[in-house]
Amino acid sequence: QSVLTQPPSASGTPGQRVTISCSGSRSNIGSNPVNWYQHLPGSAPKVLISLNNERPSGVPDRFSGSKSGTSASLAISGLQSEDEADYYCAAWDDNLSGFFFGGGTKLTVL
Amino acid sequence: EVQLVESGGGLVQSGGSLRLSCAASGFAFSSYWMHWVRQAPGKGPVWVSRLDYDGSGAIYADSVKGRFIISRDNAKNTLSLQMNSLRAEDTAVYYCARSSGNYYPPDYWGQGILVSVSS
Repeated sequence: QSVLTQPPSASGTPGQRVTISCSGSRSNIGSNPVNWYQHLPGSAPKVLISLNNERPSGVPDRFSGSKSGTSASLAISGLQSEDEADYYCAAWDDNLSGFFFGGGTKLTVL
Repeated sequence: EVQLVESGGGLVQSGGSLRLSCAASGFAFSSYWMHWVRQAPGKGPVWVSRLDYDGSGAIYADSVKGRFIISRDNAKNTLSLQMNSLRAEDTAVYYCARSSGNYYPPDYWGQGILVSVSS
């Protein structure tokens, strides 16, 4: 059982809005900031959202992050074919004294 | 431009050792916490280790504790990972990554280097 739980897959059509969830507990998401990453095959993971809802420069504003209690979400609006990738959340866990990644969500653009 | 370039990977036999290096440029290296993260083929990323910005404190995942040692040279903008007693399950692409706070997940990642451990 993963420390951070993501749905294994998500899908949408071009132009749609898709949301990916990341569920944790009080000791991780509930207490610490969450980052979201996009991973394309053969490339390094790229941070899309840092510290719950901050978008680094260069990341399109179609990507947004939020956090409520022990869950975090990544929203992608105006879905594009190039958004097809694996998405991961990550956070520190106070009880386990380490960083943990979600299991990943494979996004398919239909 | 932020750059993290890993080197030192390759094929090693089970029980062997390997030392990874990461050359950093384009940012104030000595102000950032530095991490190693690995990703096995077909799997998601797994955090391995983190070192404080001044090298004063290191933490490790349970799976590598006692076998891996993280270190840095702030004068040379270099991060290292000494990997001993390697096992087949250590086979992965290893990424060097930085973060800007003590409990902040990594933000910028290098391109990664492949480590293969043969049994």
